[in-house]
Amino acid sequence: DVKVTQSSRYLVKRTGEKVFLECVQDMDHENMFWYRQDPGLGLRLIYFSYDVKMKEKGDIPEGYSVSREKKERFSLILESASTNQTSMYLCASSPGRRTDEQFFGPGTRLTVL
Amino acid sequence: GNSVTQMEGPVTLSEEAFLTINCTYTATGYPSLFWYVQYPGEGLQLLLKATKADDKGSNKGFEATYRKETTSFHLEKGSVQVSDSAVYFCALNTGFQKLVFGTGTRLLVSP
Repeated sequence: DVKVTQSSRYLVKRTGEKVFLECVQDMDHENMFWYRQDPGLGLRLIYFSYDVKMKEKGDIPEGYSVSREKKERFSLILESASTNQTSMYLCASSPGRRTDEQFFGPGTRLTVL
Repeated sequence: GNSVTQMEGPVTLSEEAFLTINCTYTATGYPSLFWYVQYPGEGLQLLLKATKADDKGSNKGFEATYRKETTSFHLEKGSVQVSDSAVYFCALNTGFQKLVFGTGTRLLVSP
């Protein structure tokens, strides 16, 4: 079974802190994604990566950065957390073809106080 | 631009009732279409997909048909169970693996 794991299920941070969310997949997938999920807005793509050290902006990249130093790991960084970044963050990976499904991790619920 | 519109929830049904969750889309080109399900406390998982017009995706008793003429991909199940209670997301993929999601529809099934 494909497994996508995220470093924390719940996280509480203070405004201005630097926050790292880690995601690891064990199926040698080419593509990895970070989404945020908010009520009434569905899932919105923050960043994605189709190869090591490659990254592309999604629909809402402002306030976020990413790092992909190894194929299996994709990190989401909040340089200076703000309260409007309180959300559920979902990581996903996929093999590479257009019709492939994406495999999701369980999510990290981040609260910024 | 590309977008997905789903019916607003929650959808509340009794066990064994018929389910329809509407999904329509706007896209350039020929998107692949997906239904994902999110059970409480979990991430999303693929329920079914269709990659071209008139394809029917099916899984676990759920079905959806890719209708290009009406730009729709409605999810149906003949007899829902309490265990089907979850949030359902319709999504499309127009290329390079980027998915565009609808806002999700919560389904509540009571015994």
